[in-house]
Amino acid sequence: GAVVSQHPSRVICKSGTSVKIECRSLDFQATTMFWYRQFPKQSLMLMATSNEGSKATYEQGVEKDKFLINHASLTLSTLTVTSAHPEDSSFYICSAPPAGGYEAFFGQGTRLTVV
Amino acid sequence: AQSVSQHNHHVILSEAASLELGCNYSYGGTVNLFWYVQYPGQHLQLLLKYFSGDPLVKGIKGFEAEFIKSKFSFNLRKPSVQWSDTAEYFCAVNAGQAGTALIFGKGTTLSVSS
Repeated sequence: GAVVSQHPSRVICKSGTSVKIECRSLDFQATTMFWYRQFPKQSLMLMATSNEGSKATYEQGVEKDKFLINHASLTLSTLTVTSAHPEDSSFYICSAPPAGGYEAFFGQGTRLTVV
Repeated sequence: AQSVSQHNHHVILSEAASLELGCNYSYGGTVNLFWYVQYPGQHLQLLLKYFSGDPLVKGIKGFEAEFIKSKFSFNLRKPSVQWSDTAEYFCAVNAGQAGTALIFGKGTTLSVSS
């Protein structure tokens, strides 16, 4: 199956700093990628849809100025958590469907801890 | 908007017991349906998926699910669980068009005792 790689897998940062998370489709092109957030023992909540060459679409309640998304190429989307606070600590997961595909493939996830 | 309901929050079974986890979705159009498993400390793994055709789909590790359109349901089953099936199970749905986001249910925690 298709492979989505997410980096880093874990990151600890100080409150007030910014953190960038990368999501790459390794063997296919993805015009669309999705970013999810998962709190401990909870489900995955869709944060935003990343679109190659255009602005991301954010779900209701997600601050677009805090969670900056850039879909620079057909194989790379980045999520930057700006001015991170402890409440931003969570598990962030990206997924991508191959162009024209119905099934999305998931990255390994990034555990963000803000101290 | 789509939504997914998983009615069982936590299921506790003994090894060899049969499993059925409920999943209902709310969406008026064509949907694709998925079950994912998340083992402790690991990332999501696809168990099975339904796009069209035979409503009874078989997945990995002996799991199967049945799509009942009239009930908007996609329940997950396994005849005989093992201790290694202890995990979190998520039902998910997306609209029938290509490239749409998955919407997840809240998940069901399965605990299997040996």
